[in-house]
Amino acid sequence: DADVTQTPRNRITKTGKRIMLECSQTKGHDRMYWYRQDPGLGLRLIYYSFDVKDINKGEISDGYSVSRQAQAKFSLSLESAIPNQTALYFCATSDSHWQYFGPGTRLTVT
Amino acid sequence: RKEVEQDPGPFNVPEGATVAFNCTYSNSASQSFFWYRQDCRKEPKLLMSVYSSGNEDGRFTAQLNRASQYISLLIRDSKLSDSATYLCVVNKRSGNEKLTFGTGTRLTIIP
Repeated sequence: DADVTQTPRNRITKTGKRIMLECSQTKGHDRMYWYRQDPGLGLRLIYYSFDVKDINKGEISDGYSVSRQAQAKFSLSLESAIPNQTALYFCATSDSHWQYFGPGTRLTVT
Repeated sequence: RKEVEQDPGPFNVPEGATVAFNCTYSNSASQSFFWYRQDCRKEPKLLMSVYSSGNEDGRFTAQLNRASQYISLLIRDSKLSDSATYLCVVNKRSGNEKLTFGTGTRLTIIP
């Protein structure tokens, strides 16, 4: 089984809809992250969390919110999706050395 | 100027050849450095950390030049399976709390 899982893997939604992307990990790491990847822009950090009570904004948090429900779960929400949020979204966890990524969620907002 | 810059490529290299990529970073306070590999539409996976003294892992060698603020990745005896996008990753701190990713260099190994 994968150590970091993301659901859904693909999602098409309409402008204005609320959508939640979920991430779960079995690695036992405290640190979790949400990134988005766009062609030509690389991965950009949306939010990160160092433990259940610690949530921090990344470089592009506007239009997004997160919830750390447990050590193993970190969810990303788009309250009102817009087309420029169409991207590939990755969740990651880390120990003290490296980050480990989930398989990604491809989100399309029409 | 971008914090981390890479030549996007593509690099098209015959199987068995040696290929090298460079990556430059703008923040001289950066402390830790990594190369990640990303296959098409897949998640990034750690390839190797980059240490000041340089380090090698099989056919892969990573170097860090702090004075010129660049890191490099050398792949020897390239295999078809090396075809991927290679991401240069930099962190301002010694851990990996907040990484800055380059946009990647695309490599295709040609049979």
